[in-house]
Amino acid sequence: AQKVTQAQTEISVVEKEDVTLDCVYETRDTTYYLFWYKQPPSGELVFLIRRNSFDEQNEISGRYSWNFQKSTSSFNFTITASQVVDSAVYFCALIEIGDSWGKLQFGAGTQVVVTP
Amino acid sequence: EAGVTQFPSHSVIEKGQTVTLRCDPISGHDNLYWYRRVMGKEIKFLLHFVKESKQDESGMPNNRFLAERTGGTYSTLKVQPAELEDSGVYFCASSQVDRRSTGYTFGSGTRLTVV
Repeated sequence: AQKVTQAQTEISVVEKEDVTLDCVYETRDTTYYLFWYKQPPSGELVFLIRRNSFDEQNEISGRYSWNFQKSTSSFNFTITASQVVDSAVYFCALIEIGDSWGKLQFGAGTQVVVTP
Repeated sequence: EAGVTQFPSHSVIEKGQTVTLRCDPISGHDNLYWYRRVMGKEIKFLLHFVKESKQDESGMPNNRFLAERTGGTYSTLKVQPAELEDSGVYFCASSQVDRRSTGYTFGSGTRLTVV
């Protein structure tokens, strides 16, 4: 069963609009790690953020912010005042502490298209 | 430091042919992973090396896929014979020690198209 669900396949916005990407995860472990990666058109996977399950503080980094809610098993990502350079596929991922080898389990990704 | 390098960046082959993908991890990274994304779907784990040893190959689709990591440095992933459903983007990632908390550094991927 898929453990990370990104229900939004594609989101299109006009530049300067805010966009929120949803991520819902499923795990029985009490300790786990959540990640967001960005895949721009050039193809590489770029690390954005890592969160462990004991740290529910929301985080802001420039125009990026993350909302971690253990109660709803969600780790949502918001881009504020989007720019064309934000156009990419964004992946949410999970590592469970019970997986001794630390495999990343990815969601299907959300394609963000920002038009001028 | 140099990042994770994958070669080739693109490959188009005919069904039934053989293709070999290569990954050069960051120097000193013992852990090397292969992942694959089939069009529109999630990125899925294929296998994990620690140095030259395969620690987990539970994600390998079938015996047409063979991964090696000679001497614990670079790794190759061979698909023989390739089938249409093997098309996708193959990512390699490496990490040093605490893979669970720090995640990995990914390469740019190899886009494989089987026609």
